[in-house]
Amino acid sequence: DIQMTQSPSSLSASVGDKVNITCRASQNVFTYVNWYQQRSGQAPELLIYTASNLQTGVPSRFTGSGSGTDFTLTISGLQPDDFVVYYCHQNYRTPQTFGQGTKVDIK
Amino acid sequence: EVQLVESGGALVQPGRSVRLSCVTSGLTFGDHAMHWVRQAPGKGLEWVSGISWNSGGLDYADSVKGRFTISRDNDKNSLYLQMNRLRVEDTAMYYCAKGKAWAVTSQLDAWGRGTLVTVSS
Repeated sequence: DIQMTQSPSSLSASVGDKVNITCRASQNVFTYVNWYQQRSGQAPELLIYTASNLQTGVPSRFTGSGSGTDFTLTISGLQPDDFVVYYCHQNYRTPQTFGQGTKVDIK
Repeated sequence: EVQLVESGGALVQPGRSVRLSCVTSGLTFGDHAMHWVRQAPGKGLEWVSGISWNSGGLDYADSVKGRFTISRDNDKNSLYLQMNRLRVEDTAMYYCAKGKAWAVTSQLDAWGRGTLVTVSS
């Protein structure tokens, strides 16, 4: 199975900050990486698909980059609604796998 | 608006069976792969199983292979997960998720609210 290793597991930031969350795949997954946001008690929502494509309706402060084994989710200008959990995910090969999650909380 | 509504979650004893259902609306169901993803209490996301648009492609996580069976009925716009020989470690919220495309490798672009399965004696 392809392992997805996210870092950091948590981070503290302030409203307006720019933050980066990274994800490393255990093998080449090309650009088959997606990013999800999950609010407490709710289902995940797709933010970025195929490494860098913004899902419809998602604010442009969310950007994704990377290819091969190293990927980054950048949030430029954190808003109060952004202090939640983020997951990376690979769909290059089944079983599809997720990173362990990154919790973004308010400093 | 795409809607996915799961049902069938329950409190069951180890070794017993449960069948989950997911009824969808607002999409052309037969055009999309569908998936089940679970989340144990306080834990991360685990992909469980996926099925292609015409049921020709199926796959499972190793942790459920041989015990769980995914299926779909395109006429009823519905997805199912038959869960047999349940274990305590299967306790989780189970989410139904829509694939962005037809193949079982497609990414998950819409999710239901989940249904809770608790396995305990």
